[in-house]
Amino acid sequence: SAVISQKPSRDICQRGTSLTIQCQVDSQVTMMFWYRQQPGQSLTLIATANQGSEATYESGFVIDKFPISRPNLTFSTLTVSNMSPEDSSIYLCSVNERAKGIQYFGAGTRLSVL
Amino acid sequence: KQEVTQIPAALSVPEGENLVLNCSFTDSAIYNLQWFRQDPGKGLTSLLLIQSSQREQTSGRLNASLDKSSGRSTLYIAASQPGDSATYLCAVSHNDYKLSFGAGTTVTVRA
Repeated sequence: SAVISQKPSRDICQRGTSLTIQCQVDSQVTMMFWYRQQPGQSLTLIATANQGSEATYESGFVIDKFPISRPNLTFSTLTVSNMSPEDSSIYLCSVNERAKGIQYFGAGTRLSVL
Repeated sequence: KQEVTQIPAALSVPEGENLVLNCSFTDSAIYNLQWFRQDPGKGLTSLLLIQSSQREQTSGRLNASLDKSSGRSTLYIAASQPGDSATYLCAVSHNDYKLSFGAGTTVTVRA
């Protein structure tokens, strides 16, 4: 099984600032996924991060607001830019184990924007 | 667009009772269905994965069934324990491995 480390685990930020979340996987994976879980709601896919190409964003999410980097097969970052209180959520990265189809998740980053 | 619904939203049972959690989805052209457990302050833990060609999967006290044609899955947890208290999420994927999640069922098992 894949082990995913996310940093930071939580943060409290001021309106208008940006936060970069890091995701490290203990094995090489082709695709990494970033999800958002708003308070009291389920997970929504933000984007798929592929190594060596631009991330693919889901409807309602744009690169200017959520820029993603994928410099190698074990690491990705998600930046939440120009934050507002509406960005207060848990952000999770995940990977898919192709052979079994199982999806693994990091512990998440709990973000609060004041 | 795939819509995933989980019923009930919350469930409270005494220890030892069996749990039945329901999940329904609108687009039956799925690749697989997964049940996850989410604990407060923690990420998601995969409990069971059912491929689209399968009818059920079992792991210990957990059993999940899948009726793809009717767009339904059920997670059974036998002889519940207080440690089973968590939010259970159902998610379906298509060939691109993106997951569509339900809103979850929050389970409380009373000692």
